[in-house]
Amino acid sequence: EAGVAQSPRYKIIEKRQSVAFWCNPISGHATLYWYQQILGQGPKLLIQFQNNGVVDDSQLPKDRFSAERLKGVDSTLKIQPAKLEDSAVYLCASSLGWGLDEQFFGPGTRLTVL
Amino acid sequence: GQQLNQSPQSMFIQEGEDVSMNCTSSSIFNTWLWYKQDPGEGPVLLIALYKAGELTSNGRLTAQFGITRKDSFLNISASIPSDVGIYFCAGHLNSGYALNFGKGTSLLVTP
Repeated sequence: EAGVAQSPRYKIIEKRQSVAFWCNPISGHATLYWYQQILGQGPKLLIQFQNNGVVDDSQLPKDRFSAERLKGVDSTLKIQPAKLEDSAVYLCASSLGWGLDEQFFGPGTRLTVL
Repeated sequence: GQQLNQSPQSMFIQEGEDVSMNCTSSSIFNTWLWYKQDPGEGPVLLIALYKAGELTSNGRLTAQFGITRKDSFLNISASIPSDVGIYFCAGHLNSGYALNFGKGTSLLVTP
């Protein structure tokens, strides 16, 4: 079974530029998560989708971050405009259901903002 | 998110030694999970705990869900070089379903 796919794996941009990340969850997984992992810290949940609806986006900086999952399958996370402190690994995860179901993580996209 | 205090921050041990790490919180959790993250990869689930007092093993790994529901530990017995990585505790608060992570324990094992 294929795992969670993410692209690109690495991205370098200058501050104030825009960037987008893509995630394709495990087939059949209804719930999709985006996490931000700053160097030396654990992942922090940004947004959680159940199918194509948002379950939790309480920690998403909505003035610059946006995410969508239009058809309930793959998802994109966008940052516009980027700040230096957005440098981090952005991890996508998926689970079969929601709540306490096991989350499977993708390899992440490492973003560097100069 | 809820603060999880994970310790130690890093460990440097010799192959064959046992390892212990723990995680505490001021809040009650209804699950405790332990993940391992290798460089350039996402976290992988090692052990999941769902009941206070639960003790679960996965090969050389053993983890326990504290009785107070505010702490958990992970033990690794007879460490080997491939145990190298960052270990994270994580959990679901009683009040919601967001997964909260600790800051991680970096483990280095020398042959």
